Formats: sequence, structure tokens, C-alpha cells
Amino acid sequence: GQQLNQSPQSMFIQEGEDVSMNCTSSSIFNTWLWYKQDPGEGPVLLIALYKAGELTSNGRLTAQFGITRKDSFLNISASIPSDVGIYFCAGLAAGGTSYGKLTFGQGTILTVHP
Amino acid sequence: GAGVSQSPSNKVTEKGKDVELRCDPISGHTALYWYRQSLGQGLEFLIYFQGNSAPDKSGLPSDRFSAERTGGSVSTLTIQRTQQEDSAVYLCASSRNSGKLFFGSGTQLSVL
Repeated sequence: GQQLNQSPQSMFIQEGEDVSMNCTSSSIFNTWLWYKQDPGEGPVLLIALYKAGELTSNGRLTAQFGITRKDSFLNISASIPSDVGIYFCAGLAAGGTSYGKLTFGQGTILTVHP
Repeated sequence: GAGVSQSPSNKVTEKGKDVELRCDPISGHTALYWYRQSLGQGLEFLIYFQGNSAPDKSGLPSDRFSAERTGGSVSTLTIQRTQQEDSAVYLCASSRNSGKLFFGSGTQLSVL
């Protein structure tokens, strides 16, 4: 099956810094999604991307669907303590007729020091 | 309710016992998913229901795992003869088949 390589695995940053994380795939995806998971909770959708090259923002978050359709990145600007959590990329492979099952990356653990 | 509801939130069981985990999806969502998350790991797909179609069971790790969805709404994930390696958080999600999944808070399963 498809696999997503998400990096970095973890990040330790100071409040106010910008953050960047990315996911790459060996196969083409037609949808990329970014989720955040707080401790003890399920993942919450942050941004959804549906077209190659698409750049979408949600507040301080910006994500892009790579033009090769095999990668995506998420940027967080001016980080704050509540950005702490695990960020997951997820993708749906091209060629399917239904949304079936998402493939998730292994997650990026973000720690923000005040 | 407004979101996906899972119960119980925590379950401790003895090795060899059967467990049932419940998921109430968001009303009107036709798709329902079960994922498993082990400590410090990503999400592992288990099973997917879409409307009245046959479920995609390709992610179930063994025949001890099964799931059903009654009336196109509530779903139950059953694990028979639990093993210690089954310990994990079991997450349910639902969607309108748009690819945007809404997750519940999960059931933390501990097999002693």
C-alpha cells in the first residue's frame, strides 16, 4: 500500500518561531489533508488540499499541495504554546472512485517553549 | 450530538476476553472509519463503511477483529480473545465521503 514519509518526527521551538513540516509519497495523491491531535483527543482537520499547486491558509497555518502530487508541506507562522501537539499529514491515492481510506504519515510532534 | 461519539473512553480487559467498542457518527455522514493508534505511532486503517456498500475490511489485522454498522449509523468494533498487542487507542471517524474526516476522541484499550 501507499506510504507517507513525514518529517521531521519532532520539533522543539521557541514561541514566536515559524515551523515547517512536510510529507512525501512514492505514489501520486489526489487529496492531501493536515490534521492536529491534542493529547487524549482524536485528530482535528486543519487544512484540505485538492489540486496540485494549491496553496491554502487557515489563520497562521499555510499548506501546499506539491505540483508533483507526491508531496505537501505545512507551515505554522509565529508559533504559540497552544500549537503544541502532533501534526499528521494524510492523503488519498489517485485513481480511486471513492474516498476509501486515508493513508496517514507518522506524525510530527511539536513542542513550543514559552 | 454535534460530533463523533465513542464509548467507552477507556477499557481495561484481561487477555483472552472479548471487547466491544462503540461509535456514534455525525448524523448524515455516510462514511464511517475505524483506525488504530499505538503509542507514539501514526494511524493504522482498520475498516471503512460507505453507505450500503460492502465494507472495506482490508486493514483488519486478524480474524479476531470484526465490525458492523447497523442502520447506516452506529458502528461496533469487536475484538475477540484480546491479546496484549491489541492495546492501543481505537479511533472512529465519519465523513460525508468528502475526504474530510471527523474523528471521535477514541477508546483507550488496555489488555492486561
